[in-house]
Amino acid sequence: QTVVTQEPSLTVSPGGTVTLTCASNTGAVTSGYYPNWFQQRPGQAPRALIYSTTNRHSWTPARFSGSLIGGKAALTLSGVQSEDEADYYCLLYYAGTPVFGGGTRLTVL
Amino acid sequence: QVQLVESGGGLVKPGGSLRLSCAASGFIFSDFHMSWIRQAPGKGLDLVSYMSGSGGDISYSDSVKGRFTISRDNAKNSVFLQMDSLGVADTAMYYCARAHCSGTRCSRIDYWGQGTLVSVS
Repeated sequence: QTVVTQEPSLTVSPGGTVTLTCASNTGAVTSGYYPNWFQQRPGQAPRALIYSTTNRHSWTPARFSGSLIGGKAALTLSGVQSEDEADYYCLLYYAGTPVFGGGTRLTVL
Repeated sequence: QVQLVESGGGLVKPGGSLRLSCAASGFIFSDFHMSWIRQAPGKGLDLVSYMSGSGGDISYSDSVKGRFTISRDNAKNSVFLQMDSLGVADTAMYYCARAHCSGTRCSRIDYWGQGTLVSVS
């Protein structure tokens, strides 16, 4: 069974930088998994942030960036704002089938 | 602008059925895979089903296979999820979402609806 793993929770100070990661139990995550990242604020629907590892959607603020680090997909938030407090989900494609990670709850404190 | 609007959720008894609808606008509907993704209360996102633009490629999660049926009407820009033999574990917010795919190779999900709540009790 394919399992995608994220940190359950992270805390960051306002103005700081934080990196969330997304790992696969099948091995190293590569660009071929087309990593996607989504943000979900409390009480709202998910919103797409990043696709195909590094690409921002037209509505994604520049402080969000995607990359591959140490065999994992990564989402880095720079200059964190209070409005970035949310749950973040990654998604990996396995031969065309999407699988979500369990999500990371980001607290801005 | 792209819009996805779900409807059809509600309260149903165990063993019952519901049919969810997702009305799309603002894009060429038949060009895109459409997905149903659910989120149980306090839990993460779980892909339920998806269907290609032509309807020829369909997938279901193991937890709903044999009970749920996805379909679409490209003339009406709508995708549907028929849910039968519902159980308490199916209680969730159900979202429809648009995916970009080339053949069976997909690269991203971009737009999401606001969701429709299904409660089985």
